[in-house]
Amino acid sequence: QKEVEQNSGPLSVPEGAIASLNCTYSDRGSQSFFWYRQYSGKSPELIMFIYSNGDKEDGRFTAQLNKASQYVSLLIRDSQPSDSATYLCAVRTLNAGNMLTFGGGTRLMVKP
Amino acid sequence: SQTIHQWPATLVQPVGSPLSLECTVEGTSNPNLYWYRQAAGRGLQLLFYSVGIGQISSEVPQNLSASRPQDRQFILSSKKLLLSDSGFYLCAWRGLSSGNTIYFGEGSWLTVV
Repeated sequence: QKEVEQNSGPLSVPEGAIASLNCTYSDRGSQSFFWYRQYSGKSPELIMFIYSNGDKEDGRFTAQLNKASQYVSLLIRDSQPSDSATYLCAVRTLNAGNMLTFGGGTRLMVKP
Repeated sequence: SQTIHQWPATLVQPVGSPLSLECTVEGTSNPNLYWYRQAAGRGLQLLFYSVGIGQISSEVPQNLSASRPQDRQFILSSKKLLLSDSGFYLCAWRGLSSGNTIYFGEGSWLTVV
């Protein structure tokens, strides 16, 4: 079982819709959770992070964490074609030497 | 503000040739530094990390090596490249001021032919 799992996609949504990206992790000791966006051929850039159960909002982005279900998600409201990218979920776990473990990423396509 | 730079941005190397990728961080002291590799269509694989000068931890045994000659400089090297070394190499840093977040450099595309 992979430590951090994401559906590779592509996830296709129309412009203006809500895109929902999901991530599950295997280690219950995971402490913090990160979402990165990676455009084709570019390096990942941080969108946001979340530490506590519940929702965290930043502009059009909302991260949701449910530690009991070992599930973290990213919602993108009013999706724009410029949001088309691969979204990487990353998890920091003390048992892994406090390193970030990345999922394989979900490719999002926002169609005009 | 903190910035991270790595170079070269792209390179094409023949099998068996050496490799040197360099990364520098500005605006922070004693950062944790990382080298990741991303093969085509795949996730990020941690190769090396360093918590200080001369301190290198290897996550994946292979023909690559890393060095940290200065506090804010991290170098990825190979004596003889393999075809399987092709990929997108990313340097990243984490400092006290960034909390638990790591930030990536621009990346280096390596094609071994």
